[in-house]
Amino acid sequence: QKEVEQNSGPLSVPEGAIASLNCTYSDRGSQSFFWYRQYSGKSPELIMSIYSNGDKEDGRFTAQLNKASQYVSLLIRDSQPSDSATYLCAVDNTDKLIFGTGTRLQVFP
Amino acid sequence: DGGITQSPKYLFRKEGQNVTLSCEQNLNHDAMYWYRQDPGQGLRLIYYSQIVNDFQKGDIAEGYSVSREKKESFPLTVTSAQKNPTAFYLCASSIDSIRPGSTDTQYFGPGTRLTVL
Repeated sequence: QKEVEQNSGPLSVPEGAIASLNCTYSDRGSQSFFWYRQYSGKSPELIMSIYSNGDKEDGRFTAQLNKASQYVSLLIRDSQPSDSATYLCAVDNTDKLIFGTGTRLQVFP
Repeated sequence: DGGITQSPKYLFRKEGQNVTLSCEQNLNHDAMYWYRQDPGQGLRLIYYSQIVNDFQKGDIAEGYSVSREKKESFPLTVTSAQKNPTAFYLCASSIDSIRPGSTDTQYFGPGTRLTVL
């Protein structure tokens, strides 16, 4: 069974700090990786996608991919209370995505 | 106004009843997906369709059925055979089916929260 693992949290960080969210996956053949943000009671929204080893930056968000170690991470700089949500990692598997259970992030003022 | 719509937002069902959840998209996407999310859980794939008149079972298809008669529509029926249907149901679509190395991404509708009374 192909798996995507995330620490469920909650991860608590103070406002202005860097939040680091991690995800590991089991299928070495995976090539596409996604981070979704899900507010309580809402549907997931895409934040970042990454396909190559290394870092990809978009505003306050940086996705990091290391295929050799089979992990992908999301860094959120200058965390804001509005970033408080559950962050889902998703990995491609043939013709669909497999989602992790998500990490709950709490940013306190 | 492009996007994915799901209706209804909230749905209540009595035990033993079948109910159908609607999912419509006007993004001209070929692929559509149905997920179920339980509290504190990730997304579990129920069914997906890569093209009209074709669909595949996901990880938890038992007790559910789908149809794909039109490109823009992918309704999900929760049958009485589904033993624990209370959950948040999410529909998603992507331009094409997810393939290794593909840059296609899935976009989600707002969801339907189903409660069995």
